[in-house]
Amino acid sequence: GENVEQHPSTLSVQEGDSAVIKCTYSDSASNYFPWYKQELGKGPQLIIDIRSNVGEKKDQRIAVTLNKTAKHFSLHITETQPEDSAVYFCAASNTDKLIFGTGTRLQVFP
Amino acid sequence: EPEVTQTPSHQVTQMGQEVILRCVPISNHLYFYWYRQILGQKVEFLVSFYNNEISEKSEIFDDQFSVERPDGSNFTLKIRSTKLEDSAMYFCASTLLGGHGANVLTFGAGSRLTVL
Repeated sequence: GENVEQHPSTLSVQEGDSAVIKCTYSDSASNYFPWYKQELGKGPQLIIDIRSNVGEKKDQRIAVTLNKTAKHFSLHITETQPEDSAVYFCAASNTDKLIFGTGTRLQVFP
Repeated sequence: EPEVTQTPSHQVTQMGQEVILRCVPISNHLYFYWYRQILGQKVEFLVSFYNNEISEKSEIFDDQFSVERPDGSNFTLKIRSTKLEDSAMYFCASTLLGGHGANVLTFGAGSRLTVL
């Protein structure tokens, strides 16, 4: 079955700096790659997603890149703000079932 | 913005007791899911449900677990005889279109289950 690895597990950046979180997946059939943000005490919220027919997608300060050949995808957050502090999960899927990564705790210091 | 609502937000139960977690998915959604997250760990798929039947389940979802859509709005997860290791946050999610490649899942805020 699919296995998703995520790095780093924790990431601390200064406000205004960029943050990059990387994920790899094992199942070449996976074709949908969402990123979720989870704030304390809340459920995961979708922030951006990408499908396998696209290499890059951007939405304001966040972007996701996908390398199908290498089976990895990354989340890029530019101009980080303290409210970006949260746990971020990547996921992969080719069915209804999402397989999540282990999460990255991002802390943005003012 | 439409939400997935879950109740209770926190339930404490004794080992061996039955627990029912409730979810109200977004009203026009057709596909429903339960995921769980043990404290500090990743979110894990439990079960997907469509057209009044389970479409997929994980190895976690054993005979102690069941799901039901008893009416047009609620979607429930029942744990028949809880174990200590069932302590986790349980998330309900729904989506309008399921199937190949999945689609945007909307998650609820979760129900924290503590088994003593």
